[in-house]
Amino acid sequence: QITLKESGPTLVKPTQTLTLTCTFSGFSLTTNGVGVGWIRQPPGKALEWLALIYWDDDKRYNPSLKSRLTIIRDISENQVVLTMTNMDPVDTATYYCVRRFSTKNWFDSWGQGTLVTVSS
Amino acid sequence: EIVMTQSPATLSVSPGERVTLSCRASQSVTSTLAWYQQKPGQAPRLLIYAASTRATGIPARFSGSGSGTGFTLTISSLQSEDFAIYYCQQYNNWPLTFGQGTRLEIK
Repeated sequence: QITLKESGPTLVKPTQTLTLTCTFSGFSLTTNGVGVGWIRQPPGKALEWLALIYWDDDKRYNPSLKSRLTIIRDISENQVVLTMTNMDPVDTATYYCVRRFSTKNWFDSWGQGTLVTVSS
Repeated sequence: EIVMTQSPATLSVSPGERVTLSCRASQSVTSTLAWYQQKPGQAPRLLIYAASTRATGIPARFSGSGSGTGFTLTISSLQSEDFAIYYCQQYNNWPLTFGQGTRLEIK
């Protein structure tokens, strides 16, 4: 069974750095073609792709946020970590961890999501 | 960036009806399009990838079609559990982008 679970703070202050961890099971991030990424959704709004890390450690970022994002993986712990610097209230959203399991970038498994509120 | 535009924003339909949702890309994405369903308080669920291939476990009443810039998701006979928001996503170009969603409401 494939599971992904997000963890991290529920509240951050403006200008702070957000660190989110995705802990997954049921697959390996060393398997050819596999990727783990992050997608966010502000309350009542649409989905926005943020970042993706692949089995070969290649990384992709949304250009609109690239300067603020870092994605890394910990193979031994089955984790992917996303950091986002200089948080702003507009970054308030549910952040989802997702899996890519093909040669194409659609997402077949999603975590439950974690709501992050940015407020002083 | 490829902009994905979904229409209509909201659709009011009755159970048992056939419904077609539209997704248009600002430039060709060939067949690299996915559809997701999101129910309130839940994460999205993959329905369709490669424009027309149903994901594992997705009922046959869901079908996708299209290529290039125009795509549709059809639900042949709406069930109560199908009332949700539907999103399309292109994966032909970076950044990956989603449409703004179509909400299916019960008439």
